[in-house]
Amino acid sequence: AQKITQTQPGMFVQEKEAVTLDCTYDTSDPSYGLFWYKQPSSGEMIFLIYQGSYDQQNATEGRYSLNFQKARKSANLVISASQLGDSAMYFCAMGPRAAGNKLTFGGGTRVLVKP
Amino acid sequence: GAVVSQHPSWVICKSGTSVKIECRSLDFQATTMFWYRQFPKQSLMLMATSNEGSKATYEQGVEKDKFLINHASLTLSTLTVTSAHPEDSSFYICSARAVIGGEYGDTQYFGPGTRLTVL
Repeated sequence: AQKITQTQPGMFVQEKEAVTLDCTYDTSDPSYGLFWYKQPSSGEMIFLIYQGSYDQQNATEGRYSLNFQKARKSANLVISASQLGDSAMYFCAMGPRAAGNKLTFGGGTRVLVKP
Repeated sequence: GAVVSQHPSWVICKSGTSVKIECRSLDFQATTMFWYRQFPKQSLMLMATSNEGSKATYEQGVEKDKFLINHASLTLSTLTVTSAHPEDSSFYICSARAVIGGEYGDTQYFGPGTRLTVL
């Protein structure tokens, strides 16, 4: 079974500063994928970034980067230069390597960006 | 990019009635669709996996007779909440898996969700 843990229920961040959202996971699968999604108050799930377990480099997508530490089983999301529009719930998820297979989600972290 | 729609976006119904929620992939074919349920301030919980042309696979603890899923085509899956009760009130989100090798590769795209309130 797979398990995702997000230990930060909520956090404030000052606009233009960077913020790190923690995510740890547990799985017995040798090959897996890690995903981060953003859910604004409207409810839609917005895909942010993906990291494969065998990827040598940490994933980056614009202002989002994933700090992947396989030995520690952690996949923290770093948002640089926070914007007011970044205020939302953020979910870490994992599943088989292809994103098209079913995902297990963490409990989420609510981020509020202060002007 | 790949777009998934849900209809309706919100619905209010009386206890004992049935409600159907549609999930459509608008610009790609989806061999697999997933249905999630999300309670306020909680995470998404997978309810079932819907494969086109076959019976859905339900997660442990989800009543298949309560939540009927039909995946009749490569672009449409429906979730019917039968004899709805107030405890079924929740946010229901679907996602669609693109056909492997297609333009959108093998990834999962989420719909905007349907908020169900049962009175």
